[in-house]
Amino acid sequence: EVQLVESGGGLVQPGGSLRLSCAASGFTFSSHSMNWVRQAPGRGLEWVSGISGSGDSTFYADSVKGRFTISRDNSKNTLYLQLTSLRAEDTAIYHCGKSALNCTGGECYSYWYFDLWGRGTLVTVSS
Amino acid sequence: EIVLTQSPGTLSLSPGERATLSCRASQSVSGSYLAWYQQKPGQAPSLIIYGVSSRATGIADRFSGSGSGTDFTLTISRVEPEDFAVYYCQQYGNSPFDFGGGTKVEIK
Repeated sequence: EVQLVESGGGLVQPGGSLRLSCAASGFTFSSHSMNWVRQAPGRGLEWVSGISGSGDSTFYADSVKGRFTISRDNSKNTLYLQLTSLRAEDTAIYHCGKSALNCTGGECYSYWYFDLWGRGTLVTVSS
Repeated sequence: EIVLTQSPGTLSLSPGERATLSCRASQSVSGSYLAWYQQKPGQAPSLIIYGVSSRATGIADRFSGSGSGTDFTLTISRVEPEDFAVYYCQQYGNSPFDFGGGTKVEIK
């Protein structure tokens, strides 16, 4: 089954750290860029970070740059997000999202829209 | 950074009516890299439109996307009961790959 399953969320104090994981199955993980998108309670979607299939390129929203680190282990089909210096405003459900890959004529191109999402893991930052 | 503004915030419709959702970008979206997602309560978002007007796999043809440059539209020709949800646009031409604030389509 093609799916993404997040884990690692929980309650953490301001200034604390947490590592989120996203286990992928049912597709060739290393071929796809991957992302983290968060949603604060009752709010809209916020793209947080993205990483290329090889892991060589990473991208971050300004709101998390310098505090969050995205990484991946293609041998384990797993995406990670290390969260540090957490603030109350980081409280949200964190979803992982698979970037689309379109292949024509033997050439494949990765696009940063998300054709598969996980259900998310809740991170609550509170004292 | 491209800022996406969606309107209206809430759209109240009866089943069978036409829904027109707007997404306006603060600068031109490169390569027509504009997507739309649907999110129902308690669920993850799901892709419905990419490349401005291409429907994702399994998406009904009552959903259509249009637009160019800075102005984009998602149209639901006749809203079905399962279409009541929140809809988000997203630009994916340049990082950060941000979303609009969303439009809630609710039952009138």
